[in-house]
Amino acid sequence: EPEVTQTPSHQVTQMGQEVILRCVPISNHLYFYWYRQILGQKVEFLVSFYNNEISEKSEIFDDQFSVERPDGSNFTLKIRSTKLEDSAMYFCASSELDSNTEAFFGQGTRLTVV
Amino acid sequence: QKEVEQNSGPLSVPEGAIASLNCTYSDRVSQSFFWYRQYSGKSPELIMSIYSNGDKEDGRFTAQLNKASQYVSLLIRDSQPSDSATYLCAVTSNTGKLIFGQGTTLQVKP
Repeated sequence: EPEVTQTPSHQVTQMGQEVILRCVPISNHLYFYWYRQILGQKVEFLVSFYNNEISEKSEIFDDQFSVERPDGSNFTLKIRSTKLEDSAMYFCASSELDSNTEAFFGQGTRLTVV
Repeated sequence: QKEVEQNSGPLSVPEGAIASLNCTYSDRVSQSFFWYRQYSGKSPELIMSIYSNGDKEDGRFTAQLNKASQYVSLLIRDSQPSDSATYLCAVTSNTGKLIFGQGTTLQVKP
């Protein structure tokens, strides 16, 4: 069964360092998303991406964040200068058709900023 | 602020019973409604989607939607210990992003 894959599963980084989280969406999906979940809190939307551009971003997704689809399969989230409060689980998701169809999540990357 | 509200629980039911999970949402233009299951430390796993008023059944799961009341529910029949998890209600608006509730923790006791 097709699935969204994310790497790495766990990333530890020092405050102020740049991190890149990687995702391979399901191959025929057209919409891509990043969400995050701080321990014990809700899953929060960060950004959606369609047709090689950002279609929506949340208030969390400030200038420190960027997304890219560098090739036909990968979808990345970059955090330029990490802060302690960026520590969270980051989930990539993708959906096939329009933005209101089912979204499937990857297994997540646990980011720990020390 | 568009919100999705769930009782955080825990909801405890005996094995074999029906578990009933509820969710309300504030944005009347919400178009699509989803239930995800999340085990501790894992990612959300889609278990049900519902788009129109009424009931939708899939195996032991039934989702119910009432747009007039802005209410979504999930029934789990013949609950099993393996159903013990946090159940996340999520809705989309016309922009497509998912807005999640805080989740209801379900405990199924053998």
